Amino acid sequence: QVQLQESGPGLVKPSQTLSLTCTVSGGSFSSGDYYWSWIRQPPGKGLEWIGYISYSGSTYYNPSLKSRVTISLGPSKNQFSLKLTSVTAADTAVYFCARADYMDVWGKGTTVTVSS
Amino acid sequence: EIVLTQSPGTLSLSPGERATLSCRASQSVSSSYLAWYQQKPGQAPRLLIYSASSRATGIPDRFSGSGSGTDFTLTISRLEPEDFAVYYCQQYGSSPQTFGQGTKVEIK
Repeated sequence: QVQLQESGPGLVKPSQTLSLTCTVSGGSFSSGDYYWSWIRQPPGKGLEWIGYISYSGSTYYNPSLKSRVTISLGPSKNQFSLKLTSVTAADTAVYFCARADYMDVWGKGTTVTVSS
Repeated sequence: EIVLTQSPGTLSLSPGERATLSCRASQSVSSSYLAWYQQKPGQAPRLLIYSASSRATGIPDRFSGSGSGTDFTLTISRLEPEDFAVYYCQQYGSSPQTFGQGTKVEIK
C-alpha cells in the first residue's frame, strides 16, 4: 500500500528557508490520479493546508502563505518537496505530507522548529 | 475562504454513548466535498469520512457522516475506548482547502 515519509532538517534559523521532502512508496505517485499535499500543525493547534501539487506539476497554494511557499516535484521521481522562505517562530510546526484532495494517506509528520 | 466552525469544542462522554459532532461552513461546500478526520496525540490524522457521507477504507460502520450545503455532522453511534480523540472537518471543494478547529471527544 502507499506510504509517505517526510524528511528534512528539524531546526531552521529565523529568516532562512525551510526545505522538506516527501517520499512516496508503494505506487500511485506516477498514476496522475492524485494531488499531493503539505499540511502543518503548530504545537497544540489545529491543521493548516499549505498547498498541493499534481503529478503534472500544477500547484495550488494557501493565499496566506503563497508569497513564501513553493511546492515542486522531485528531487527523485517519487518525491515532492516544500520550500518555505523567510521563516519565523510562527512557522514552528509538525509538517505532514498527504495524498489529496481528501487526504486518505498521510506521512507520520516531521517536527520543524524555527529558532536561532 | 470558507471558514469551518466545529461544535462543541469538547464533548465529554462515556464509552457506549453516542457522539454527535457538528461542522458548519461559512458558505456552501461545493459538491459536499467535506471530510472528517480523527487525530490522536503524536499521530497523523486518519481519514474517516469523505464526500460528507462516504466511509473511508477500513473505517468501522459506527462512524457515519451526513449533511450538505453548510451543515455537516459526524456521528459515532457507540463510543469505543479507541474513539476518544480530536476530530477535524475539512472542506476540499474550494481553494484554499480549510479545516475546522477541531472537537475533542474525551472520556467522562
